[in-house]
Amino acid sequence: DAKTTQPPSMDCAEGRAANLPCNHSTISGNEYVYWYRQIHSQGPQYIIHGLKNNETNEMASLIITEDRKSSTLILPHATLRDTAVYYCIVKTSYDKVIFGPGTSLSVIP
Amino acid sequence: DSGVTQTPKHLITATGQRVTLRCSPRSGDLSVYWYQQSLDQGLQFLIQYYNGEERAKGNILERFSAQQFPDLHSELNLSSLELGDSALYFCASSRNPSGNEKLFFGSGTQLSVL
Repeated sequence: DAKTTQPPSMDCAEGRAANLPCNHSTISGNEYVYWYRQIHSQGPQYIIHGLKNNETNEMASLIITEDRKSSTLILPHATLRDTAVYYCIVKTSYDKVIFGPGTSLSVIP
Repeated sequence: DSGVTQTPKHLITATGQRVTLRCSPRSGDLSVYWYQQSLDQGLQFLIQYYNGEERAKGNILERFSAQQFPDLHSELNLSSLELGDSALYFCASSRNPSGNEKLFFGSGTQLSVL
């Protein structure tokens, strides 16, 4: 069974924040939330990960709800280059990285 | 540039043939992962090696095999190729086999079986 649920597709206007949701209602206490993205047929790219605290780096912010059953990846100012498939992955430190279908984000000019 | 090098970028071959895909991990990375991406299956984990030893196995067919050499580069061997093996094959590397390591992916090898 898939550990995460993501909408298959989303649109976002260029320059606006892109908020990508992920549901992981069965997450365990030792499982982290990871985000990767894949720009058309390129290799996937790591974005960010977190356990329970919100995280921010130069690419994005990760907001994890207090009950840890869902999270949101935020791209603060989306550009056309952010058009990609975004994968939310839940795993322990020792699990392999398993990709689901992800969310196809289209940034519209 | 992720620092992971995959060769060749494109490979065209016929059914029944055998091919070898090569991956050089980032400098200092000991772990190598192989993934297959086809249109109908998405990104599928195949196998992981750490410092020359097999660490984890995923949906890898018996016709496929891999190894990691002492210099840490890895090869994925695909034999008795079928049309359905046409896909993008990605290699990724990380420093350790476990822990909160991020994976760095190469740009992939596009395999076309005709």
